[in-house]
Amino acid sequence: KNQVEQSPQSLIILEGKNCTLQCNYTVSPFSNLRWYKQDTGRGPVSLTIMTFSENTKSNGRYTATLDADTKQSSLHITASQLSDSASYICVVSRMDSSYKLIFGSGTRLLVRP
Amino acid sequence: NAGVMQNPRHLVRRRGQEARLRCSPMKGHSHVYWYRQLPEEGLKFMVYLQKENIIDESGMPKERFSAEFPKEGPSILRIQQVVRGDSAAYFCASSPPEAGANYGYTFGSGTRLTVV
Repeated sequence: KNQVEQSPQSLIILEGKNCTLQCNYTVSPFSNLRWYKQDTGRGPVSLTIMTFSENTKSNGRYTATLDADTKQSSLHITASQLSDSASYICVVSRMDSSYKLIFGSGTRLLVRP
Repeated sequence: NAGVMQNPRHLVRRRGQEARLRCSPMKGHSHVYWYRQLPEEGLKFMVYLQKENIIDESGMPKERFSAEFPKEGPSILRIQQVVRGDSAAYFCASSPPEAGANYGYTFGSGTRLTVV
């Protein structure tokens, strides 16, 4: 079954600290993996997109990694800011239907001052 | 350039009524995708439409739900005879015709449907 699992479910960190969010997937045949940020009451916003051949991609303070062999990904946030408080969602798509995004349930991050 | 526009932002319906959700894609985009997010769950694909055509409706419930994307005007997701279980956030994304597999889809802010 095509699934995307994320951990932890929620996380609280202090402003300025780093954190790493995890994603495991069983989607096959694999096309790409994305990380989205979703603020409360808003739609998801794309942070990174990685294909099979890419094992790391950065977007400012966000760095995503991908291990296509073990089907794992992580999102590392450096020097967290209060505005980073949001849900971070791992999203995978299949090669035969790449428009059909398969969403994880997200990690809810709260950054405290 | 405006992003993907959805309206209304919030919609309250009594059980048995009809709900109509609208999505205006980004300028130049002719492909629209609808997703549903139930409380405490991830978004789930519902339907993929191009202008005047339904391409993939494999995620749509078989009854009471329908979607259209007419030649002119926004895409409409229609839910007839709503039930409490339809309460969710409904999101729309769009893409241009030439979008490849790695296109970074832009989502609207969603319509939050509450059935009372």
